[in-house]
Amino acid sequence: QLAVTQSPSASASLGASVKLTCTLSRGYSTYAIAWHQQQPEKGPRYLMKVNSDGSHSKGDGIPDRFSGSSSGAERYLIISSLQSEDEADYYCQTWSAGFVVFGGGTELTVL
Amino acid sequence: EVQLVQSGAEVKKPGESLKISCKGSGYNFSTYWIGWVRQMPGKGLEWIGIIYPGDSDTRYSPPFQGQVTISADKSISTAYLQWSSLKASDTAMYYCARPTIVGAQGAFDIWGQGTMVTVSS
Repeated sequence: QLAVTQSPSASASLGASVKLTCTLSRGYSTYAIAWHQQQPEKGPRYLMKVNSDGSHSKGDGIPDRFSGSSSGAERYLIISSLQSEDEADYYCQTWSAGFVVFGGGTELTVL
Repeated sequence: EVQLVQSGAEVKKPGESLKISCKGSGYNFSTYWIGWVRQMPGKGLEWIGIIYPGDSDTRYSPPFQGQVTISADKSISTAYLQWSSLKASDTAMYYCARPTIVGAQGAFDIWGQGTMVTVSS
């Protein structure tokens, strides 16, 4: 069954970098995923799509501080030069024909 | 500008029916799937289902099959999510979202602003 798994929480200091992980279920390691950011009291915002080869395509207006990469069944969201507004929930999403699934989300705290 | 605009917040009683809407603009509504996503208070995103307005092909997430109905009217570029008998557990924010790729499911890059549904006696 296609699924994605995320760690519930992460933290990093202001100005530092952080790497969030989204893991695809066994047998689906070639699938692409998308990352979405949800700031407190706001709706989700599309950040980027990350492919199995590590290439990624960002949404409009997403800063260069946000990037993506891949290794095996893992897909990463890397945020550099952390700012206070990056404190948010981050969700990964994947899909197949007629099916969409979200990870449980990672709550990022900026210290 | 491509956007999805959802109908306003609703307050309903258990057992009542409800239909919320999501209107697309700035693109050919008929040729992109539209998905619905639930977010219960303090919880994560859950995929409800998806519809292709061009031919009304609809798919549901198993937990939501039979609990809600997704429909679309391509003549007015609007998708709908409806309940025939609401429960308190339907209280949540509901989002519509559109994938990046025409005619295919994929990454949701356009999101509606959300519709808050509150079900309480």
